[in-house]
Amino acid sequence: DAGITQSPRHKVTETGTPVTLRCHQTENHRYMYWYRQDPGHGLRLIHYSYGVKDTDKGEVSDGYSVSRSKTEDFLLTLESATSSQTSVYFCATWQDRGLSGYTFGSGTRLTVV
Amino acid sequence: DQQVKQNSPSLSVQEGRISILNCDYTNSMFDYFLWYKKYPAEGPTFLISISSIKDKNEDGRFTVFLNKSAKHLSLHIVPSQPGDSAVYFCAIYTGTASKLTFGTGTRLQVTL
Repeated sequence: DAGITQSPRHKVTETGTPVTLRCHQTENHRYMYWYRQDPGHGLRLIHYSYGVKDTDKGEVSDGYSVSRSKTEDFLLTLESATSSQTSVYFCATWQDRGLSGYTFGSGTRLTVV
Repeated sequence: DQQVKQNSPSLSVQEGRISILNCDYTNSMFDYFLWYKKYPAEGPTFLISISSIKDKNEDGRFTVFLNKSAKHLSLHIVPSQPGDSAVYFCAIYTGTASKLTFGTGTRLQVTL
């Protein structure tokens, strides 16, 4: 969806380095989410935000932090990347009305070596 | 504790036939269910949804069935087309902030 942009699309990083993934939306949606997709696990929620500066943990939040200083941007930071964080990361947004669920970005493929 | 399960990791169906994808959930309090489709190198896209007050919802070739007593959700695609080849995730709304919990996905391949 053109309204959600994730950057970078691909990244290779070394173990122990910090990494920040960015999600930018032009939809003015209130809610934003970070998921990771792994074989055999589907999509798992890392963190989510229900407004500027309002964030909370999902089911797999260990090793990750987030920030949302503006409605349009939601940043995911891996404080010290580990090989277990090699994954595809998806950002999603949702406006607090309607029943069609989320709109997802195209994903960021992160490889930690 | 997996709240949403898709027990078939993959499914192969001939073009023109019916594809049936299944999903089981654990909590009878869930009240809204969705299906997403995902192509490689793209994000998931919304396909169809159903609320717990219904047992069927249809949109063109796609129909979702809900069996609340069995806690079972299924997606029927009729007729299946090669462009339907993708990974399909079922999802449920859980908790606050409209969080979606996803199943593990089923990879559908529609063959010629």
